[in-house]
Amino acid sequence: QSALTQPASVSGSPGQSITISCTGTSSDVGTYNLVSWYQQHPGKAPKLIIYGVIERPSGVSNRFSGSKSGNTASLTISGLQAEDEADYYCCSYAGSNTNVLFGGGTKVTVL
Amino acid sequence: EVQLVESGGGLVQPGGSLRLSCAASGFNFSRYEMNWVRQAPGKGLEWVSYISGSNGTIYYADSVKGRFSISRDNAKNSLFLHMSSLRVDDTAVYHCAREVGVAAFDSWGQGTLVTVSS
Repeated sequence: QSALTQPASVSGSPGQSITISCTGTSSDVGTYNLVSWYQQHPGKAPKLIIYGVIERPSGVSNRFSGSKSGNTASLTISGLQAEDEADYYCCSYAGSNTNVLFGGGTKVTVL
Repeated sequence: EVQLVESGGGLVQPGGSLRLSCAASGFNFSRYEMNWVRQAPGKGLEWVSYISGSNGTIYYADSVKGRFSISRDNAKNSLFLHMSSLRVDDTAVYHCAREVGVAAFDSWGQGTLVTVSS
């Protein structure tokens, strides 16, 4: 099964809001409310920022929020800050045969 | 503090084998499902394998099925990935990751680099 589809890059100015899309199919994102998002700074391990489509782990800024409509999940970063510049990956459960799919990643640039 | 530390990576020739280890600390290891996720140089994340807390359930990505084997030793708080018939496209940093919900990985190790090259 193919990876989930994300835009290669998204940019915004400090203070703005940006949204990253993650498009899957009816076999993964569209069926299961089991989408997570990860932030990865260069040379660092990924960090969980959203799980279960909309849930935020303890300690993660409330500037990060998740949503889903049909086969597309989205991550919104509000009040963009310089420290948000990183790569972001979506992830979805895809059933017992495929199990887990990641998106190709989106590079966020703060202008 | 939750800590995951991978080891065992290195340079191996195509067709060779390697065994990765992940030492866990700071949490009740046996109660958590664990995964291996890899990242090729300059590329995105790819899920590799899953194992339940009791070793009872195991899954693999199609790309590694039949070549890789995941296991764990709960008494030693350790996770393993035995890789055989390695190919050039298996070159990646391999991370172990703790799963707190389906497809939700809340703790990651820094990873160990596996390079498959002649």
